[in-house]
Amino acid sequence: NAGVTQTPKFQVLKTGQSMTLQCAQDMNHNSMYWYRQDPGMGLRLIYYSASEGTTDKGEVPNGYNVSRLNKREFSLRLESAAPSQTSVYFCASSEISYEQYFGPGTRLTVT
Amino acid sequence: GIQVEQSPPDLILQEGANSTLRCNFSDSVNNLQWFHQNPWGQLINLFYIPSGTKQNGRLSATTVATERYSLLYISSSQTTDSGVYFCAVAGAGNNRKLIWGLGTSLAVNP
Repeated sequence: NAGVTQTPKFQVLKTGQSMTLQCAQDMNHNSMYWYRQDPGMGLRLIYYSASEGTTDKGEVPNGYNVSRLNKREFSLRLESAAPSQTSVYFCASSEISYEQYFGPGTRLTVT
Repeated sequence: GIQVEQSPPDLILQEGANSTLRCNFSDSVNNLQWFHQNPWGQLINLFYIPSGTKQNGRLSATTVATERYSLLYISSSQTTDSGVYFCAVAGAGNNRKLIWGLGTSLAVNP
């Protein structure tokens, strides 16, 4: 099992460009999450999906949109990237026990 | 919302030493997890422990929910234990919305 996979691993955008970060999990988990991590900080929840067909805002949703494409896939879209969105983005998934399992992260730089 | 404080912020150990990391939280929690972020950035779930005690090899954790703290014990530390240890909690309203502490940065020297 690959667990949680994320693409791309690295991305550089110019201010105003758009992009979609992809996440997939093969553990048959119902819940999926998107976080961002900034230097010297813990993680902050952007959006989560408790189950297929539902999405909810986390702590820092502004500037982002999400799509729960199916049970396996949960994507994060930046419609108009800003330098403040420079960060490392992590996707995670969990089941009934709420233990979260993380992907390897995407390092995004917005210039 | 819930506040999470971890201590100490930084820790340097010699290989073989033991350590205790602490996580204090400001309100009742239904979900508490400890994670290790290795020097390459990968986040690994260590324990799901909203209450009680668990052990996994050289690591163990205890959460005293009534007193709003959790402890992570590392025994006989190894260089591979280096990295940042995070505590994350969720309150009664939503078990999925984890609030994260700032972490304890651990360096284990050979």
